[in-house]
Amino acid sequence: DAGVIQSPRHEVTEMGQEVTLRCKPISGHNSLFWYRQTMMRGLELLIYFNNNVPIDDSGMPEDRFSAKMPNASFSTLKIQPSEPRDSAVYFCASSGQATNEKLFFGSGTQLSVL
Amino acid sequence: TQLLEQSPQFLSIQEGENLTVYCNSSSVFSSLQWYRQEPGEGPVLLVTVVTGGEVKKLKRLTFQFGDARKDSSLHITAAQPGDTGLYLCAGARPGGSYIPTFGRGTSLIVHP
Repeated sequence: DAGVIQSPRHEVTEMGQEVTLRCKPISGHNSLFWYRQTMMRGLELLIYFNNNVPIDDSGMPEDRFSAKMPNASFSTLKIQPSEPRDSAVYFCASSGQATNEKLFFGSGTQLSVL
Repeated sequence: TQLLEQSPQFLSIQEGENLTVYCNSSSVFSSLQWYRQEPGEGPVLLVTVVTGGEVKKLKRLTFQFGDARKDSSLHITAAQPGDTGLYLCAGARPGGSYIPTFGRGTSLIVHP
């Protein structure tokens, strides 16, 4: 099992540029989560999908952030335009009915907005 | 305001020492999880506690869920350098979908 796969691992961009983060959940998992981690705020939930449908996006900071899950094996988190305060580590996690509330995390994308 | 408060925020100890870290909330949780995160990686689940008062052991790690299901503790006996990492607690509210909220974590360093 390959686990949750995120890309890129590192992203450095300039303020105002569009950033797209990608996630491939574990095959068979029906729930997908995007989290953001910073020293100040810890691990914050941005959005939660169940069966490819966004269920809770109350953690999405503002309209500059958007997330999609076009199918069960792929999700994207887009920031447009990016700002320096968006710098953080972004994690994708997935879980399934058989895993009994266990989240499997990817290795994260380290985003730096200059 | 953090839903889950973890303490201490940082802990630096010598190999062989014992330690306890805490996870507290004013809210009731249907379950509580403990994760460990190593640098450059995502969190990895250590344990899930469900029943108030429940105690679970994982080798040198002992996890306890409070009777009221609002708090939890993690005790490590004879800490090893391999225990170094960020320990996160995560709780899910009763009812509805499983959407865990995480505390900020306790960063533990165990010196050889």
